[in-house]
Amino acid sequence: GAVVSQHPSWVICKSGTSVKIECRSLDFQATTMFWYRQFPKQSLMLMATSNEGSKATYEQGVEKDKFLINHASLTLSTLTVTSAHPEDSSFYICSARAWSQETQYFGPGTRLLVL
Amino acid sequence: DQQVKQNSPSLSVQEGRISILNCDYTNSMFDYFLWYKKYPAEGPTFLISISSIKDKNEDGRFTVFLNKSAKHLSLHIVPSQPGDSAVYFCAASDINEKLTFGTGTRLTIIP
Repeated sequence: GAVVSQHPSWVICKSGTSVKIECRSLDFQATTMFWYRQFPKQSLMLMATSNEGSKATYEQGVEKDKFLINHASLTLSTLTVTSAHPEDSSFYICSARAWSQETQYFGPGTRLLVL
Repeated sequence: DQQVKQNSPSLSVQEGRISILNCDYTNSMFDYFLWYKKYPAEGPTFLISISSIKDKNEDGRFTVFLNKSAKHLSLHIVPSQPGDSAVYFCAASDINEKLTFGTGTRLTIIP
């Protein structure tokens, strides 16, 4: 149980375009979803926390207008990287947590390459 | 300020022996700790967790020990298998339930 999927698994785009990444909890209802970013050989860094039906809470230093997060249902959250630039190239990972549970289950990640 | 630290970036263990991965933390408000296993270009896979009210939790080959006074936790894998080769992250959460990750330890199991 506790399966989380992400789509797409990788994406290459031109600078200036927007990219949407989907995160789905397949077998449980995720009241809270998290978005992380990982640079090569570094740990996961939390970008934002989203609760279903409310606005996301962004970590310090993360631009909310650049990284748009929507958590419209209990099984789906989306991260849109707007006007992507090469420095946004990274590995983006979502996680999901059910209500009253402490364990986060992670998606497989999305590799973004901005040319 | 790195609140969760894994001081060993890498560890090599003979197959069949015990692997011990260590993690230290500084924030006394952390009350829940988790270990994740990660392969390159994949998301972390949850392994085992422990609440701060316990000092040990066991699940099959995996055991996590928590020493609150020392702010230290460890993951024991026994017996180690080649498929255990991966990067292991410890993570901690506080009342806000956000996870803070360590920097990871790359475990290599030698056949």
